[in-house]
Amino acid sequence: DSGVTQTPKHLITATGQRVTLRCSPRSGDLSVYWYQQSLDQGLQFLIQYYNGEERAKGNILERFSAQQFPDLHSELNLSSLELGDSALYFCASSVESNQPQHFGDGTRLSIL
Amino acid sequence: LAKTTQPISMDSYEGQEVNITCSHNNIATNDYITWYQQFPSQGPRFIIQGYKTKVTNEVASLFIPADRKSSTLSLPRVSLSDTAVYYCLVGKSNTGKLIFGQGTTLQVKP
Repeated sequence: DSGVTQTPKHLITATGQRVTLRCSPRSGDLSVYWYQQSLDQGLQFLIQYYNGEERAKGNILERFSAQQFPDLHSELNLSSLELGDSALYFCASSVESNQPQHFGDGTRLSIL
Repeated sequence: LAKTTQPISMDSYEGQEVNITCSHNNIATNDYITWYQQFPSQGPRFIIQGYKTKVTNEVASLFIPADRKSSTLSLPRVSLSDTAVYYCLVGKSNTGKLIFGQGTTLQVKP
């Protein structure tokens, strides 16, 4: 058990819809990361937050947004969903940047 | 464009040492290298991290040559339970971006 909790585990929705994925980091970790994993693209870094503030941005689409709240949990919002957004979305946390990350078990998003 | 490259797959037998090499030609001075292991339906799990030379922990060693353009994860005496996908990650110190390799599927045979 990594200590990182992601909800929901599975999500099925339709094109054009909006969803919110939630992540609770490991106790004591201030940094949260979001990743997308698909069969053809592998693991893609989306965005990192540290203690409530955005710290680094990767290949995150404009239709996607994230935030980290004062209690350090984070949410990833995906809107105007397309079939290609179907993937596993992982959250990870670490004490600080450049430190080993602890991953949750992911949310599997299926767009029909 | 920074890129991290590793072999798609490798086969080994129980008890053998396995070495998986990752190429990261555009690595910068303060960028760090991390390796993760992933089993099906689970998130990646941290194995080892380093900046230069050699790092060893209870499960693996990481070898990084002087030019740092590659790194090699060494797994001593693998067992069937080491069958998994292994990812190399380069963390960019200037932008904070994180670049994963495409993953190496290791199949350990009895």
